[in-house]
This record gives sequence, structure tokens and C-alpha cells, in this order.
Amino acid sequence: AQSVTQLGSHVSVSEGALVLLRCNYSSSVPPYLFWYVQYPNQGLQLLLKYTTGATLVKGINGFEAEFKKSETSFHLTKPSAHMSDAAEYFCAVSGTGGYQKVTFGTGTKLQVIP
Amino acid sequence: DVKVTQSSRYLVKRTGEKVFLECVQDMDHENMFWYRQDPGLGLRLIYFSYDVKMKEKGDIPEGYSVSREKKERFSLILESASTNQTSMYLCASSPLDRGRVQPQHFGDGTRLSIL
Repeated sequence: AQSVTQLGSHVSVSEGALVLLRCNYSSSVPPYLFWYVQYPNQGLQLLLKYTTGATLVKGINGFEAEFKKSETSFHLTKPSAHMSDAAEYFCAVSGTGGYQKVTFGTGTKLQVIP
Repeated sequence: DVKVTQSSRYLVKRTGEKVFLECVQDMDHENMFWYRQDPGLGLRLIYFSYDVKMKEKGDIPEGYSVSREKKERFSLILESASTNQTSMYLCASSPLDRGRVQPQHFGDGTRLSIL
């Protein structure tokens, strides 16, 4: 079984500051890891994914995440926050194969202060 | 552009009613999923389907059932709605890939209120 923990249900940053959203996972098999974003009154959109290969993954809107196996982490970062980044972010983990079941974290709401 | 369409954005029903939530995808995906989203709890999987007429229970199937008669359509059924089923319901789909897990594509959600 797999699980994911997102540290901090709410994070506030100033516009232009670094965004860091934390995610730690647990998986009995090599994991596939995802970050999704949810804007108000919308469904989730994929930001980026890690499957195999390069551990630094670049996504849309300037976000990136680094897979660190030794720390079982997949933290999401963006060098400079923009007002449009205000949303809820979900980390998700899945094992390989099977019916592609994905386990989501509880989410982190990002507030960007002008 | 890929699309997952949920039939209603907002729905209000009464306790004891039988409620149907519909989801249609136009991407020819094999896998379809129903989640409920509650503040502080994230997304919890109710049921998923990996093929027509096939279904698997997720983490919180009690009080729900599903139907998948056609590949593109996946219905969630609340047999006898209760107030604790008031929530946001999200449908998602993904392609079958036996070697890797593919990202899911989500609809915009149905906000269901049970009075």
C-alpha cells in the first residue's frame, strides 16, 4: 500500500518569493509521483509527474519537483510566486501496474500575498 | 483537447432520494474513477472501473454504487442519500498502460448537497 503526507494545509508566500510545498510518500514499490493543482470551482490539473529517470522534474507554470528516494520526498518548488499561483495543490503516489490506483494527499492551499 | 464532463456542477437532493451523478469522457480511456473531496481530507476514492461492466471498490464505497455500461460513461449512484454524503464529487479518467501509471484527467466536479 502507498500513502502520501503533505506538510502544511495552508502556506502563505509573498508575490515574488520562493514557493516550497512539501510532500513525503510511502510506497512498497518504486513509486510514480504526481503534483496536481486545483483552482477554485475546478477539477484537478496535472502540474508534473515523476515516473523513472531524471529526478528533477519540470512542470507547467514554472513549477518543478525533485524526487529524493533517500528522503522519500517529492517537494514542489517555484522560484518566484505569482498571484495566479494561488490554488490548492495535491501530491499523489501510485505503485506500478495494477489498476492504476492513485493515493492523494490532503492538499496544501497556497496563498500569495501582494 | 481532452475532456471529462460531469453532468451537473451543483445538485441539491433530499435525504432518502436515489441520486445519479454522471460522467462522460471523450478520450477513449479504459480507467475511470469517482472521488469525493472534503476539506482537510483531500480526495478519497469511492470506486473505479478499468473496463466496461468492471468495477472495483475504493477506500470509501459504503452507501455508493457505480455503473459502467459504455466505455465513455461512468455513473455514481447514491442508493439512499444521507446528509453525510454532502460533498464535492470528482470524476477522472486515465488510459490503460500496463507498464506505467498514467496521469488522471479530471472533470470540474459536482457539488452535491443533501438536505
